[in-house]
Amino acid sequence: SAVISQKPSRDICQRGTSLTIQCQVDSQVTMMFWYRQQPGQSLTLIATANQGSEATYESGFVIDKFPISRPNLTFSTLTVSNMSPEDSSIYLCSVEERLDSYEQYFGPGTRLTVT
Amino acid sequence: GESVGLHLPTLSVQEGDNSIINCAYSNSASDYFIWYKQESGKGPQFIIDIRSNMDKRQGQRVTVLLNKTVKHLSLQIAATQPGDSAVYFCAEQNQGGKLIFGQGTELSVKP
Repeated sequence: SAVISQKPSRDICQRGTSLTIQCQVDSQVTMMFWYRQQPGQSLTLIATANQGSEATYESGFVIDKFPISRPNLTFSTLTVSNMSPEDSSIYLCSVEERLDSYEQYFGPGTRLTVT
Repeated sequence: GESVGLHLPTLSVQEGDNSIINCAYSNSASDYFIWYKQESGKGPQFIIDIRSNMDKRQGQRVTVLLNKTVKHLSLQIAATQPGDSAVYFCAEQNQGGKLIFGQGTELSVKP
């Protein structure tokens, strides 16, 4: 399976600022996704990162708040803009390898705390 | 709407015993299901998957059972070990390829 890394692994940020999270994969993958996992909760899909075009956002998530880039098949970024304490979460990227199955693999996550 | 939920939020088992984690899903059209294990401070780790044309699939010490009649999914872990302690999530993939995660069950293994 693909090896996925994220930077930073964790950060503490002040409200009103923005943080860009990077996701790097060691092989070209078709699909990349960004999820949020609030403390003690399950994962919620934020958006699908589309290579060369605008990301596809889920209900409740907007581009102005969570701009996403995907310049190629191995890299994507998620920005959390104008942060508030409610944005404190783990942010995870995942990839899907369309081989003979649709297995989705996750990065280690970025733990964000907003003060 | 679609939803995937778990029957029990916590499960405590004795080392060496078998563990069973249950999950219910609501979308009968979903055709792919995955179990993930998430250890503290880490991302979810793929454990095993199953397609809707199967009712059972076995891996190393793990078995997933799918009952489409009642829209129920379970994960069985044989001879549970302390290293199995984690939160387990079931996930349902819909036709659009998106994963919908269940609530999560925390498995605690007592030595």
